Amino acid sequence: GAVVSQHPSWVICKSGTSVKIECRSLDFQATTMFWYRQFPKQSLMLMATSNEGSKATYEQGVEKDKFLINHASLTLSTLTVTSAHPEDSSFYICSARVKQKTEAFFGQGTRLTVV
Amino acid sequence: KQEVTQIPAALSVPEGENLVLNCSFTDSAIYNLQWFRQDPGKGLTSLLLIQSSQREQTSGRLNASLDKSSGRSTLYIAASQPGDSATYLCAGGDTGRRALTFGSGTRLQVQP
Repeated sequence: GAVVSQHPSWVICKSGTSVKIECRSLDFQATTMFWYRQFPKQSLMLMATSNEGSKATYEQGVEKDKFLINHASLTLSTLTVTSAHPEDSSFYICSARVKQKTEAFFGQGTRLTVV
Repeated sequence: KQEVTQIPAALSVPEGENLVLNCSFTDSAIYNLQWFRQDPGKGLTSLLLIQSSQREQTSGRLNASLDKSSGRSTLYIAASQPGDSATYLCAGGDTGRRALTFGSGTRLQVQP
C-alpha cells in the first residue's frame, strides 16, 4: 500500500522560532499534497494544497507567510511554521495523492507545542 | 462549500452491540466519502473509501454506505469490541482538488 511518512512526530519549540515538518511519499509519486491541522477536541481543517513545482493554495484565514509550504519534488513536501507562537500549537498532518488515484494517504501527523 | 456533520458526537455501548455512526454532507457533488479512525493523540487510520458511484463498502465487521441524494453516509460496526474505542471521522472529497472536508467525529467507547 501507499505509505506517507511525516517527520517529526512531535516537536517542542520556543516562541519566535521556526519549525519545519517534512512529508514524504515513500512508494509513490505524489502529484498533490494537502496539509491539515487539528486543534484539541476539534476536527481536521485543511490549511493548504500544494502541487509539485507550483505555489501552494492556502485556505481562507491561513497566513501564507507564516505557514510556508514547499513541494519541490514528487515525493517531498515541507511545512515551515515561521515565528511560532503558542497559539500555533496543534496537530499537523499531511496527505498525498497520485493523480490517477482517488484515495489520499495520510502521514502519522506532527504534534507541535510552542512554549 | 462542503459541510460535514457527524451524529452523535459521543457514544458509549456495551461490548458485542451492533452500532451505526451517522454522517451527513451538504454538497451532493461529492467525489468520494472516506471513514477514518483516530486514536487519542495519534494520526488517521483509513477504514473505508466509497467512490461517488458506489453505494457501500465492507471490510470485516465494518460496512459503510453512501446515499448522495440524501447527503448521508453511515458506518455500521458489527459485534463491537473494546478495541473499537476511538474517534471515528468521516470526510467528503471534493470533485476539484480532491481535498477532504472532515466532520467533527464521533467518539466511541465500547465497554467490556
